Amino acid sequence: NAGVTQTPKFQVLKTGQSMTLQCAQDMNHEYMSWYRQDPGMGLRLIHYSVGAGITDQGEVPNGYNVSRSTTEDFPLRLLSAAPSQTSVYFCASSYSKLSSVFQETQYFGPGTRLLVL
Amino acid sequence: GENVEQHPSTLSVQEGDSAVIKCTYSDSASNYFPWYKQELGKGPQLIIDIRSNVGEKKDQRIAVTLNKTAKHFSLHITETQPEDSAVYFCAALHSGGGADGLTFGKGTHLIIQP
Repeated sequence: NAGVTQTPKFQVLKTGQSMTLQCAQDMNHEYMSWYRQDPGMGLRLIHYSVGAGITDQGEVPNGYNVSRSTTEDFPLRLLSAAPSQTSVYFCASSYSKLSSVFQETQYFGPGTRLLVL
Repeated sequence: GENVEQHPSTLSVQEGDSAVIKCTYSDSASNYFPWYKQELGKGPQLIIDIRSNVGEKKDQRIAVTLNKTAKHFSLHITETQPEDSAVYFCAALHSGGGADGLTFGKGTHLIIQP
């Protein structure tokens, strides 16, 4: 198993450009999520999904869109990039939603470093 | 929403000594508290977690304690080794109102001095 994979590893955008950060997992996990990590801020939840076709907002959803058409993939879209979106983005997955009593380990991907000029 | 405070932001200990990192949370309904270790350039990795129906959990040199009344939980690392040097994050799960996501502390940079 490759686990959680993210592409690209690094990206530079100009203000106003759009892009999609890719996330895929091969563990048949139902729960997937996106976090951003900024210096001194820890990780903050952007969006999450408890299964294909189901998404919900986290703590900082503004400026980001997500969709979950398959169990394996959970892309994060920036429609019009802003300098405030400069950050490191992590995708994570787990077998079931975090509040489930059967919840298992949440696995994080290696991250995508995004710079918006 | 949930708010998680983590202290200290930096902790330097001698190799072989113990390290303790403390977190407090605000939402009394939170019921799952994981700890993650993040090495430079990598994603966070779960090292131990605890649910609200348990007061303490151990895994070799690592232990976590939870005080629900005071709403705080702590990570204890004994017999520290150089490979323990990393940034550690605590988190709390908020799952009320249909939401299902972790709130993280701001992290502790643990430095193991040889």
